[in-house]
Amino acid sequence: DVKVTQSSRYLVKRTGEKVFLECVQDMDHENMFWYRQDPGLGLRLIYFSYDVKMKEKGDIPEGYSVSREKKERFSLILESASTNQTSMYLCASSPYLTGAKGTQYFGPGTRLLVL
Amino acid sequence: KQEVTQIPAALSVPEGENLVLNCSFTDSAIYNLQWFRQDPGKGLTSLLLIQSSQREQTSGRLNASLDKSSGRSTLYIAASQPGDSATYLCAVRYDRGSTLGRLYFGRGTQLTVWP
Repeated sequence: DVKVTQSSRYLVKRTGEKVFLECVQDMDHENMFWYRQDPGLGLRLIYFSYDVKMKEKGDIPEGYSVSREKKERFSLILESASTNQTSMYLCASSPYLTGAKGTQYFGPGTRLLVL
Repeated sequence: KQEVTQIPAALSVPEGENLVLNCSFTDSAIYNLQWFRQDPGKGLTSLLLIQSSQREQTSGRLNASLDKSSGRSTLYIAASQPGDSATYLCAVRYDRGSTLGRLYFGRGTQLTVWP
């Protein structure tokens, strides 16, 4: 089974702190994604990566950056956390393969609270 | 902009009822459509994936249909059970020929099945 893990389930940080959210997948997937999920807004794509050291902005990249130094690991960085970044963060991965095998596999999520 | 809409936003039913959850999308040139399930505070689990050339997919008590021309998909849940209580998300993929597999999500239908 595909496994996507996220470093923390719950995280509490202070405004202005630098925050790292880590995501690791064990299926050698090329594509990895970071979403945030907020009530009433659904899932919104922050950044994605289709290869090591490659990254692309999603719909809401402001205030975030990402790092992908190894294929299995995709990190989301909040350079200076703000209260409006309090949210549920979900990581996903998918293989290059198209069709039914091209589904995305999600991690359990990190619930971040910025005080 | 590709928009995905889910109706209703919330649904509460007694055990045993047959349910229909709706998903509509603005651009009919989809590659495939997926239904996910999300339990509270957890990540997403893929339930069914329908390719654009297919009309429906079935898995156990779940049946998903796709009508590209009208921009609609329905998820039918037969003989609902309390364990079906979760949020159901619809996601559309448009990038035919791309290996990225970016998904566009609806905001979900929160289902509660009471005994």
